[in-house]
Amino acid sequence: AQSVTQLDSQVPVFEEAPVELRCNYSSSVSVYLFWYVQYPNQGLQLLLKYLSGSTLVKGINGFEAEFNKSQTSFHLRKPSVHISDTAEYFCAVTTSGTYKYIFGTGTRLKVLA
Amino acid sequence: DAGVIQSPRHEVTEMGQEVTLRCKPISGHDYLFWYRQTMMRGLELLIYFNNNVPIDDSGMPEDRFSAKMPNASFSTLKIQPSEPRDSAVYFCASSTGTNEKLFFGSGTQLSVL
Repeated sequence: AQSVTQLDSQVPVFEEAPVELRCNYSSSVSVYLFWYVQYPNQGLQLLLKYLSGSTLVKGINGFEAEFNKSQTSFHLRKPSVHISDTAEYFCAVTTSGTYKYIFGTGTRLKVLA
Repeated sequence: DAGVIQSPRHEVTEMGQEVTLRCKPISGHDYLFWYRQTMMRGLELLIYFNNNVPIDDSGMPEDRFSAKMPNASFSTLKIQPSEPRDSAVYFCASSTGTNEKLFFGSGTQLSVL
């Protein structure tokens, strides 16, 4: 079975500073990885996904993530955050042949002025 | 397209009452998912459908929960009888296939008193 761990429940960061949100996964088979963002009172929206190929994936709103198979990680980064990036971010994993997306517990990013 | 549409947006009910949550997926999406989000457990997959057929309901917490998809454009999640511990945000999501991104509705905030 797959699992996802997001170690940081909350990450405060000042505006225009860089940020990294951590995600580690566990799986005995090849995985597909996703990052979703949830703004207050809304559903989740896809930021980016890794299926195969280049391990550095670029997404919307200037976010990017790097798949590291040896460390079983898929950390999300942004070089300069904005107030509008304040939201909750979820890492998710699935595998080929299954449609069960397993989500992490989320990281609440708070961007401070 | 209007996206995934869920109703009602908020539901407040008393313990023991029947609750029905509704979802209209995006037209052309073959997969429909029901998730429950709580502070304690994060996002949990309850059940998912493929072409209106329930594929995996292992996440349904107990017999009080049931889900149906009578046609490609409508699904319901029913709780009967409801209990205070069912209070959560329930999300419906749809997608076009394997490893494709999930499109989430805005969720139903359920409060069982």
